[in-house]
Amino acid sequence: QKEVEQNSGPLSVPEGAIASLNCTYSDRVSQSFFWYRQYSGKSPELIMSIYSNGDKEDGRFTAQLNKASQYVSLLIRDSQPSDSATYLCAVNQAGANNLFFGTGTRLTVIP
Amino acid sequence: GAVVSQHPSWVICKSGTSVKIECRSLDFQATTMFWYRQFPKQSLMLMATSNEGSKATYEQGVEKDKFLINHASLTLSTLTVTSAHPEDSSFYICSVSRTGAYEQYFGPGTRLTVT
Repeated sequence: QKEVEQNSGPLSVPEGAIASLNCTYSDRVSQSFFWYRQYSGKSPELIMSIYSNGDKEDGRFTAQLNKASQYVSLLIRDSQPSDSATYLCAVNQAGANNLFFGTGTRLTVIP
Repeated sequence: GAVVSQHPSWVICKSGTSVKIECRSLDFQATTMFWYRQFPKQSLMLMATSNEGSKATYEQGVEKDKFLINHASLTLSTLTVTSAHPEDSSFYICSVSRTGAYEQYFGPGTRLTVT
């Protein structure tokens, strides 16, 4: 079982819709969770971090964490074509300062 | 966030030569820096964790004698690809994290092409 799993997609949503990206992780003691956005040909950019169960909102982005289910998600409201990118879920590795990255979900927002 | 620079942004070299990539943390002193490699349409692969003043920790399958990492100061880490071969052609990205924090901030990456 991989440490962090994401649906590779591609996920296509129409402009203005809500995009929902999901991620599961295997290490029950993980405490820190991150979402990165990576445009094609570019390096990843940190867009959200979440540490506690529940929702965390930042503009059009909402991160949701459920530690009991080992599940973290990212919702993008009012999706824009500029949101088209690969979204990487990352989870801290217990006992180390590394992050485990998922393989990413490719999102396409259709104008 | 944090500002991380990498130099060069792209490089073309001939097979058998060595290439050095620099990663600089511009906003804060980074005791830990990470080096990743990403092949086209594939996921990030952690190569090594670079700690200031000590030897880097390499991931399984990464040749430490081929990928030399030096973290000589709290703001600079270098990755040298020695005796490069075409299969080393890839996108090399560094990241930095603050002491005690897990967030990693990535540099813009270096695209290496070995001919």
